[in-house]
Amino acid sequence: KQEVTQIPAALSVPEGENLVLNCSFTDSAIYNLQWFRQDPGKGLTSLLLIQSSQREQTSGRLNASLDKSSGRSTLYIAASQPGDSATYLCAVTTSGTYKYIFGTGTRLKVLA
Amino acid sequence: NAGVTQTPKFRILKIGQSMTLQCTQDMNHNYMYWYRQDPGMGLKLIYYSVGAGITDKGEVPNGYNVSRSTTEDFPLRLELAAPSQTSVYFCASSYGQRPSTDTQYFGPGTRLTVL
Repeated sequence: KQEVTQIPAALSVPEGENLVLNCSFTDSAIYNLQWFRQDPGKGLTSLLLIQSSQREQTSGRLNASLDKSSGRSTLYIAASQPGDSATYLCAVTTSGTYKYIFGTGTRLKVLA
Repeated sequence: NAGVTQTPKFRILKIGQSMTLQCTQDMNHNYMYWYRQDPGMGLKLIYYSVGAGITDKGEVPNGYNVSRSTTEDFPLRLELAAPSQTSVYFCASSYGQRPSTDTQYFGPGTRLTVL
């Protein structure tokens, strides 16, 4: 059974710092891995989707990497800003299904 | 283009009451999903649908029912509300053509409290 874990559960950093969020999964047979952002009281917004055949994806200050063999993904945020404060969730789609399995998220606070 | 809309935004139910959470998408997506999110937790899949007339159970289906009579709508029904169903409920949709590139789009959520 696929399980997704995110470490750390919460993170507080000063503005301008580069940071890394971690996501690990137990079953490497995935279609893709997706990183989402969730603001308090809101729904989820997709940030980056990495297909199983890809190693990384970039969007602006965000870079997500995928190492399927070790069951890991990282989300790198460069030059963090207070507006980046949110909960970041990763989710994987296991091969053979269209169902996403979510991690519990990392709650990020960027201090001005 | 409104994306995925959910109603109501908030609801308080008494134990044993029933209600329907509404979800509509205007992106002509084939796949639709219902998740619940408990405080400090990730999302758990309740039910999903791959097209009109087709539904299937997710990880936590007990106490819920769904139907999909049109491409646009995917209502979630709670028949006998219990305190354990207090949660935030999210509806999502995706095109469903290729799983490797399929992005899910989420509604704003319904916050349900059962007392």
